[in-house]
Amino acid sequence: DVKVTQSSRYLVKRTGEKVFLECVQDMDHENMFWYRQDPGLGLRLIYFSYDVKMKEKGDIPEGYSVSREKKERFSLILESASTNQTSMYLCATGDERGPSYEQYFGPGTRLTVT
Amino acid sequence: LAKTTQPISMDSYEGQEVNITCSHNNIATNDYITWYQQFPSQGPRFIIQGYKTKVTNEVASLFIPADRKSSTLSLPRVSLSDTAVYYCLVGDYNTDKLIFGTGTRLQVFP
Repeated sequence: DVKVTQSSRYLVKRTGEKVFLECVQDMDHENMFWYRQDPGLGLRLIYFSYDVKMKEKGDIPEGYSVSREKKERFSLILESASTNQTSMYLCATGDERGPSYEQYFGPGTRLTVT
Repeated sequence: LAKTTQPISMDSYEGQEVNITCSHNNIATNDYITWYQQFPSQGPRFIIQGYKTKVTNEVASLFIPADRKSSTLSLPRVSLSDTAVYYCLVGDYNTDKLIFGTGTRLQVFP
């Protein structure tokens, strides 16, 4: 079974703090994704990576950056957290480009910025 | 940007067939249509995927018309455990980006 783990299930941070969300996968997948999920808006793609040190912007990259130094690890960084970044963050992996394959999701991190 | 729309919610009773439609008016030519199921406090889980016509697996069927501007997820004989949110996922023709639908909350009653 594919396992996708995220560093925290729940996180509370203050406005202006730097926040790191980590995602680790054990299936040697090429592609990794970060989404945020908000009521009424569904899942929106923030960034994705199709190889180590490669990254591409999704639909809502503003206010976020990512890092992929190793194949199994994909980090989402909030340089200066703001209250509008309070959300559920989901990491996903897959082994081919594009949506023509199954994505495997982690359990999510619920981030609250106060 | 493609709009991928789904009904916000649907109600059903155990044993009934449920059909959830997703409209994707700007789907990328070569991309598949994928459906996911999400339970509370969990990440989405793959259900089924198709390119055109009909696909069936042990969980669901997926119907895709020739123009591929919509797709219908069909769940036969739902049970209480099918209560979840269902999302479609497609690639956008213009941007080549992934677009999730806004999700359909299915509530199954006994």
